[in-house]
Amino acid sequence: AQTVTQSQPEMSVQEAETVTLSCTYDTSESDYYLFWYKQPPSRQMILVIRQEAYKQQNATENRFSVNFQKAAKSFSLKISDSQLGDAAMYFCAYRSATGTGGGADGLTFGKGTHLIIQP
Amino acid sequence: EAQVTQNPRYLITVTGKKLTVTCSQNMNHEYMSWYRQDPGLGLRQIYYSMNVEVTDKGDVPEGYKVSRKEKRNFPLILESPSPNQTSLYFCASSLGLAGVEQYFGPGTRLTVT
Repeated sequence: AQTVTQSQPEMSVQEAETVTLSCTYDTSESDYYLFWYKQPPSRQMILVIRQEAYKQQNATENRFSVNFQKAAKSFSLKISDSQLGDAAMYFCAYRSATGTGGGADGLTFGKGTHLIIQP
Repeated sequence: EAQVTQNPRYLITVTGKKLTVTCSQNMNHEYMSWYRQDPGLGLRQIYYSMNVEVTDKGDVPEGYKVSRKEKRNFPLILESPSPNQTSLYFCASSLGLAGVEQYFGPGTRLTVT
């Protein structure tokens, strides 16, 4: 079974600075997807960014980018120019691309990192 | 608007009183799933469904039931709720093998006293 580990329960960053959230995962599969979800106080799960394992290029969405290291099974999220609205819980998640993974395509989540933005 | 809806959004109930949390999606997705979120544990999958009449257990299915009689609906049933089922519940849907992203409902906060 796949596991996802977020080793930072909480992170704090000054507004306008850059912060990196860590995520490692364990899998025996070669074809999968990785995601970062944001959960603000409204509790809505918002997809921030996704990465296909077969792509070597790191995904980028505006101020959000990832550092995907497939061999190391690492998937960190970098937030540049942090804004107050970035304050939230961030979850790293894994999904098999084969249809035979846990929950037959369900997401396996890490425990989350609470990001605090200092004004 | 493409969306996943859940009802109710908030529910306080007592131990043993059967309840149902509804989930509906309007995107014609085959795959639907229920997750529960607990502090320090992230989200864990309860049950999932690959299509109508096809359901299976996730990681934490004990104490829950589901059904998938229509493609758009996937209700979560707690036959005899207990305090350890106090949690935040999310329904999600996707196109299954062809769809990468799962779309989440707004969540249901359940308290069992």
